[in-house]
Amino acid sequence: SQTIHQWPATLVQPVGSPLSLECTVEGTSNPNLYWYRQAAGRGLQLLFYSVGIGQISSEVPQNLSASRPQDRQFILSSKKLLLSDSGFYLCAWIRLAGVGNEQFFGPGTRLTVL
Amino acid sequence: AQKITQTQPGMFVQEKEAVTLDCTYDTSDPSYGLFWYKQPSSGEMIFLIYQGSYDQQNATEGRYSLNFQKARKSANLVISASQLGDSAMYFCAMREGARNYGGATNKLIFGTGTLLAVQP
Repeated sequence: SQTIHQWPATLVQPVGSPLSLECTVEGTSNPNLYWYRQAAGRGLQLLFYSVGIGQISSEVPQNLSASRPQDRQFILSSKKLLLSDSGFYLCAWIRLAGVGNEQFFGPGTRLTVL
Repeated sequence: AQKITQTQPGMFVQEKEAVTLDCTYDTSDPSYGLFWYKQPSSGEMIFLIYQGSYDQQNATEGRYSLNFQKARKSANLVISASQLGDSAMYFCAMREGARNYGGATNKLIFGTGTLLAVQP
């Protein structure tokens, strides 16, 4: 069965510090991968998506970047965090054989920037 | 531009009763997909149900059904026989374009969500 992992689960970082969030998927190959951010009490905002290794598309110009060094690994990074980067970060993958190409989400990382 | 609107920020329902969560969408693409997700307080996003724009029948999945009214561009979620465990945030989402097997973006846009509270 397929599973998706994210770490860390919780992170508290000072403004100006770097960030690295990791997402890995097991049990599938060549998945489409997505990074979303959810601000408190809000819906999900798509940040990046990737259809293959080294292929990254950015949806929102911002302080963040993404990389996909391996087929089932997706990394979200920042060189210098801002207060506005606080939020709940979710990684998702698509099961292309699913009924509607539904996305399945990881457990998320709650980031607080102080 | 594609857009998802959920006008109910919060809803209350008595246990064992049915509840309808509203979702309207806007797109110029004739091919699209509509999804509902549940987000409990733990934060995980749980896929509930899917409706394709060309599907003739309303989708059903256990206690969940999707009231798809294409002309009105609405895709309301109906939860029958509510349970206490149904208390959560519910998000409607849309994928613009036909589903594809690899290579396509399959991006989703989400509504702002409806917080459902099931009362005993």
